[in-house]
Amino acid sequence: KAGVTQTPRYLIKTRGQQVTLSCSPISGHRSVSWYQQTPGQGLQFLFEYFSETQRNKGNFPGRFSGRQFSNSRSEMNVSTLELGDSALYLCATGTSESIGTDTQYFGPGTRLTVL
Amino acid sequence: GENVEQHPSTLSVQEGDSAVIKCTYSDSASNYFPWYKQELGKGPQLIIDIRSNVGEKKDQRIAVTLNKTAKHFSLHITETQPEDSAVYFCAATSTDSWGKLQFGAGTQVVVTP
Repeated sequence: KAGVTQTPRYLIKTRGQQVTLSCSPISGHRSVSWYQQTPGQGLQFLFEYFSETQRNKGNFPGRFSGRQFSNSRSEMNVSTLELGDSALYLCATGTSESIGTDTQYFGPGTRLTVL
Repeated sequence: GENVEQHPSTLSVQEGDSAVIKCTYSDSASNYFPWYKQELGKGPQLIIDIRSNVGEKKDQRIAVTLNKTAKHFSLHITETQPEDSAVYFCAATSTDSWGKLQFGAGTQVVVTP
């Protein structure tokens, strides 16, 4: 089985721009979670989608949004980029067969640099 | 909400020795505890997980123990090898958290030959 795919792998943007990141889950996985990883804050949960619905949300400002398509692929969008948004953005997917506690598998991440 | 603390932040071991990483959690509702290994430039890779109805789980050189009363769980790596060098993260979540893992800060493990 192919693993979790994230595109693009690297992005450089300037302050004020917006960005869209994509995550394609492992075949059969319907749950997609997004995390932000920075040296200072570690791994922080952004949001989780299942069957095109956001089920859970972390403590990030409204500039961070996401969506999920009918084929379970997910995108996240960050508007009005700030320097502090520079991070590795990871998505993790799961089958969600065991409610809330199914195994999550991570993609390689998208490295976003905001100048 | 859940808070996970992880110790130590760095761990240096000789090849062949054992490594132990400890985590504590705050939410008594947490019932799933995965461990991830992250190598440079890669996403976290699941190495072992344990659910709250189990006290210990082993997979070859890796084992995890869980003490629900004390709210702590540990990762044990025996016979360490240079390829075990990486950052290890513990995490916790509960049934009603819908895909939300709360991570520890990570442990940088360095295995010296």
